[in-house]
Amino acid sequence: DAGVTQSPTHLIKTRGQQVTLRCSPKSGHDTVSWYQQALGQGPQFIFQYYEEEERQRGNFPDRFSGHQFPNYSSELNVNALLLGDSALYLCASSPTGHGYTFGSGTRLTVV
Amino acid sequence: SQKIEQNSEALNIQEGKTATLTCNYTNYSPAYLQWYRQDPGRGPVFLLLIRENEKEKRKERLKVTFDTTLKQSLFHITASQPADSATYLCALGGSAGNMLTFGGGTRLMVKP
Repeated sequence: DAGVTQSPTHLIKTRGQQVTLRCSPKSGHDTVSWYQQALGQGPQFIFQYYEEEERQRGNFPDRFSGHQFPNYSSELNVNALLLGDSALYLCASSPTGHGYTFGSGTRLTVV
Repeated sequence: SQKIEQNSEALNIQEGKTATLTCNYTNYSPAYLQWYRQDPGRGPVFLLLIRENEKEKRKERLKVTFDTTLKQSLFHITASQPADSATYLCALGGSAGNMLTFGGGTRLMVKP
């Protein structure tokens, strides 16, 4: 049984560009959350999707947007990239109130 | 504002000893608390969940306590092994939807 799958694993972008990250949740999980983890820090909540709608959002600007598809997979889009957006982006899926299953993340470097 | 504190300094212990990691929080009333393990370059791996009405939870060599009066959780690894070396994250959830709020993590180094 595959866990959470994220693609790509690594990405280098230039300031001002746009990026799309992808996530396939664990089988049987219909809720997908996205987190940003800067080096040496804990993950920070970006937003959560359920039934193809954004259910909750953390303290991130509108440059960060997402989407969930009918098969529960999800995308994270970041527009107008800044150097400070460089981080590990983690996708997590879960049944409500249980431990999250995280993917290995996408390492985004903005130059 | 909500704050979750974990010891930012690495914890170094000898193999076979018990490792104890601390998670303190303020301005938060979590419904549950979770502990995760994270290895370099990898996503966090779920270890244990403890709810606000539970005092203690065990799983194999792991034990978690949760004191909502002190606003503190302790995470213990007994008979520690070098393979337990990793960063351990605590995360609180349930007071505002399903989002998890993470601490900064504590790096554990177990020496043979």
